[in-house]
Amino acid sequence: GDSVTQMEGPVTLSEEAFLTINCTYTATGYPSLFWYVQYPGEGLQLLLKATKADDKGSNKGFEATYRKETTSFHLEKGSVQVSDSAVYFCALSEMNTGNQFYFGTGTSLTVIP
Amino acid sequence: NAGVTQTPKFQVLKTGQSMTLQCAQDMNHEYMSWYRQDPGMGLRLIHYSVGAGITDQGEVPNGYNVSRSTTEDFPLRLLSAAPSQTSVYFCASRKGRNYEQYFGPGTRLTVT
Repeated sequence: GDSVTQMEGPVTLSEEAFLTINCTYTATGYPSLFWYVQYPGEGLQLLLKATKADDKGSNKGFEATYRKETTSFHLEKGSVQVSDSAVYFCALSEMNTGNQFYFGTGTSLTVIP
Repeated sequence: NAGVTQTPKFQVLKTGQSMTLQCAQDMNHEYMSWYRQDPGMGLRLIHYSVGAGITDQGEVPNGYNVSRSTTEDFPLRLLSAAPSQTSVYFCASRKGRNYEQYFGPGTRLTVT
């Protein structure tokens, strides 16, 4: 069945460091891929998405490229800020898996000044 | 648009009590879902709906009921609260399959 695996946390970085959070997926068809961010005490917010192979999603300096050959959708940011401290979730959805949306377990990021 | 709204934000129940968590969306989305989020467990799907009058079970449905009488509303009922239902509950909606989900702000429930 479908699933999403993302790197274990927590991740601690200094401000302005480069960020990579790995995400790989297993899917039977042609999924859409998403990254969500959850700030403390809040709900999940869509950060970026990609709907087909080789698409690059980007938002607020974050980027992720849909790589079908490696079944990956790694999240990157060139220079993190303290305000990026949050939990990040990778997720997928596809047409032929009914109504479910598959989430990774989340990666906690703390950025220190 | 208000997006997805949930009430209440916080709730404390005694074991055995029942209550309804409210969820509403104003985006005319057909698909709505309820999740619970527990430390170390990620998000787990409780129930979902693909349109008014249609609901189905997710991964952890026991102890919860749902109904979908309108496109906008998708309440979650706890029949007889148990301490194991202490969690943060999120409602989400989306336009259809393969679309992104939009989440509400959550309800933090404590059962004593």
